Amino acid sequence: EDQVTQSPEALRLQEGESSSLNCSYTVSGLRGLFWYRQDPGKGPEFLFTLYSAGEEKEKERLKATLTKKESFLHITAPKPEDSATYLCAVTTGANNLFFGTGTRLTVIP
Amino acid sequence: KAGVTQTPRYLIKTRGQQVTLSCSPISGHRSVSWYQQTPGQGLQFLFEYFSETQRNKGNFPGRFSGRQFSNSRSEMNVSTLELGDSALYLCASSLLVLTDTQYFGPGTRLTVL
Repeated sequence: EDQVTQSPEALRLQEGESSSLNCSYTVSGLRGLFWYRQDPGKGPEFLFTLYSAGEEKEKERLKATLTKKESFLHITAPKPEDSATYLCAVTTGANNLFFGTGTRLTVIP
Repeated sequence: KAGVTQTPRYLIKTRGQQVTLSCSPISGHRSVSWYQQTPGQGLQFLFEYFSETQRNKGNFPGRFSGRQFSNSRSEMNVSTLELGDSALYLCASSLLVLTDTQYFGPGTRLTVL
């Protein structure tokens, strides 16, 4: 069964304390993996797309990496404005799209 | 470039009523998808439209339906509302296919009393 699992469910960090969020997947024929950021009451905001194992992308304090079984979203020296829910989504060759349930990140000043 | 817009932003309905939500995609995007988001279930795919045709469908009952117009604008309809339909309904658009990067609107918050 195709599945996307994100961990941890919630993460509290002190400002400046780097960490990583995990997205593991079991799908048939991965085509792409997406990371989104979602603030309360708003729609998800696109961050990155990764297509193949070994690929990495960076944006400000965020860096996304991809292996054959999982993706990591590394957050370096986070600030309070990085507090949000981070969603991972996977697309397959069968034109399916699966979302994880997200990691709720809180960065404390 | 304007983003995805959704109207209305908030709705309150009672059980048994029906509701129609509207979505305008990013200019040039032809694929429009709808999602239901609840605290317990997360983001769940409802359906995708392309060229006025439903191309993909999630696992939701027939009470949930949609359509797309020739200008790519889309509407979603829920009939015979149930309490469990209370959720944030999100619309997303992408260039051509569901597997392209999805750009989301702000959502419509539906409350069913």
